[in-house]
Amino acid sequence: DGGITQSPKYLFRKEGQNVTLSCEQNLNHDAMYWYRQDPGQGLRLIYYSQIVNDFQKGDIAEGYSVSREKKESFPLTVTSAQKNPTAFYLCASRSGLAGKNEQFFGPGTRLTVL
Amino acid sequence: GENVEQHPSTLSVQEGDSAVIKCTYSDSASNYFPWYKQELGKRPQLIIDIRSNVGEKKDQRIAVTLNKTAKHFSLHITETQPEDSAVYFCAARAGISSGSARQLTFGSGTQLTVLP
Repeated sequence: DGGITQSPKYLFRKEGQNVTLSCEQNLNHDAMYWYRQDPGQGLRLIYYSQIVNDFQKGDIAEGYSVSREKKESFPLTVTSAQKNPTAFYLCASRSGLAGKNEQFFGPGTRLTVL
Repeated sequence: GENVEQHPSTLSVQEGDSAVIKCTYSDSASNYFPWYKQELGKRPQLIIDIRSNVGEKKDQRIAVTLNKTAKHFSLHITETQPEDSAVYFCAARAGISSGSARQLTFGSGTQLTVLP
């Protein structure tokens, strides 16, 4: 399970507050991703980054922001504009090498808005 | 964009029986199809994947089949064991020509329960 970590494991937030979720990888992977998982639903892509200092919106980017200042780090900020932020958030990374398709997931952060 | 549908949403089988989970995709340019297993409270982990130039792939008790013409792929688990109980997700990756190249679109998941 080593290589990609997320913190904290559990996070509680009051309505109207921004909160930042951490994702770090030591796999030297180029691409990193943030997904949101809700009960009974698949993983939905929030943001992704193919390379340092570049990132793209996924399918549900509204109310979220990211940065990619370092190759190993891809933090996600859940802003007060996100209408329903309570969910399980998963970070993933993938090598940029040809033929290396697998996305490796972190252990996840469960965010609860009180 | 890509749309992936997965069926069934829940599946119960007796230990030792086979389980089959099916997915369909919409983008004919998709070229990579992984399957992930997620145990309760844990991260998804890749169990098998297939590329579009292959029709079938096996790994011990697990196999995946792909029908590009019909745009569907399936996961087959034989001789199921209680430890196979988990949520299984299929996914499809768009091809290079797509605007969302190399991003995975996931199905909604199947909760598999293997009854002892």
